[in-house]
Amino acid sequence: GAVVSQHPSRVICKSGTSVKIECRSLDFQATTMFWYRQFPKQSLMLMATSNEGSKATYEQGVEKDKFLINHASLTLSTLTVTSAHPEDSSFYICSARRGISLGNEQFFGPGTRLTVL
Amino acid sequence: GEDVEQSLFLSVREGDSSVINCTYTDSSSTYLYWYKQEPGAGLQLLTYIFSNMDMKQDQRLTVLLNKKDKHLSLRIADTQTGDSAIYFCAESIRAAGNKLTFGGGTRVLVKP
Repeated sequence: GAVVSQHPSRVICKSGTSVKIECRSLDFQATTMFWYRQFPKQSLMLMATSNEGSKATYEQGVEKDKFLINHASLTLSTLTVTSAHPEDSSFYICSARRGISLGNEQFFGPGTRLTVL
Repeated sequence: GEDVEQSLFLSVREGDSSVINCTYTDSSSTYLYWYKQEPGAGLQLLTYIFSNMDMKQDQRLTVLLNKKDKHLSLRIADTQTGDSAIYFCAESIRAAGNKLTFGGGTRVLVKP
């Protein structure tokens, strides 16, 4: 149990276009989902926290108008990178947390590699 | 403030034990976690420990927590080549909404 999927796994787009990444919890309901960004050979940086049915909470320095997050249901959150630029190229990883869990664990998706040309 | 640190690299021979260390600064951590990341993949939760415990064992994995020194370690017994990966420790703090703060990751290379 506790499987999280992401789609697409890899995307290449032109500068100025928007890209949507989906994160789904496949076998559990996720009251909270998280979006991270990871640069090569670096750790994960939390971008935002989203709770189902409410607005996402963004970390300091993350532009909410550029990285649009929608958590429409208990199993789906989307991240849209708007007007993407080459500096947005990165590995984006989502995670999901169950409503009730002993260890407050987050379960991670396999990641989406975004390349902006 | 929150700061989690790990050594960058560990090399170990197949069959030996690996010990990966992590230090953190926030004493109000609720849970501490170990995640494994293989190349190009997401993070796999290996184990976690509640902050009022000092040890947890799960098959080949042993987690030790020294709360006084704010030191966490992960021991992998009988290390295999499939254990080669990057290992991240992370802490969650209730006052921060249980968000995870990650260490920089330790790259473990298992040599045959």
